[in-house]
Amino acid sequence: EAQVTQNPRYLITVTGKKLTVTCSQNMNHEYMSWYRQDPGLGLRQIYYSMNVEVTDKGDVPEGYKVSRKEKRNFPLILESPSPNQTSLYFCASSLSDRNTEAFFGQGTRLTVV
Amino acid sequence: EDQVTQSPEALRLQEGESSSLNCSYTVSGLRGLFWYRQDPGKGPEFLFTLYSAGEEKEKERLKATLTKKESFLHITAPKPEDSATYLCAVRNSGNTPLVFGKGTRLSVIA
Repeated sequence: EAQVTQNPRYLITVTGKKLTVTCSQNMNHEYMSWYRQDPGLGLRQIYYSMNVEVTDKGDVPEGYKVSRKEKRNFPLILESPSPNQTSLYFCASSLSDRNTEAFFGQGTRLTVV
Repeated sequence: EDQVTQSPEALRLQEGESSSLNCSYTVSGLRGLFWYRQDPGKGPEFLFTLYSAGEEKEKERLKATLTKKESFLHITAPKPEDSATYLCAVRNSGNTPLVFGKGTRLSVIA
């Protein structure tokens, strides 16, 4: 089954404690991206990757890092989380940046206290 | 700056009562306009991509249309299972992020 898998689904952490949210896709997609979704603000792109070792900033990259060492994986790293990063996070992948029949993961609800 | 505005914010329909959702956009060179459906607690699910004014696409009770300034998602004879938030997004001709609207929350009452 074609899917994008995020882990964990739920996470409560404390300010400053480094964390990683993993994202994996099994469709051999080149394009992957991370979004955060906040009430009243909608979905906003954090980072995206056009292919292995190619990443770029989206609209709200501050406080986040990503890496793309393998085609299937695109982890999101919060080096020093802060309460304003409490949000619902989605990873997405598509065949290319032009083909946006994007597949989204099930989401990670992060709370930073 | 690319902008996407969706209206209404929320819409409540009786089962079978057809209606339309609006997505107005401002973009420097439209590369594509996209509609997604999102159920509570889940990731968005892709519905349609429209590339040029005049284009239309259909899927079951949904039909998406595109003009130079806006897109409509027409829902014909909706059923309760069509209840969801519908998201519109645009991408411009440059290498820029997809820009989403805030969505329209649709409730269809039996």
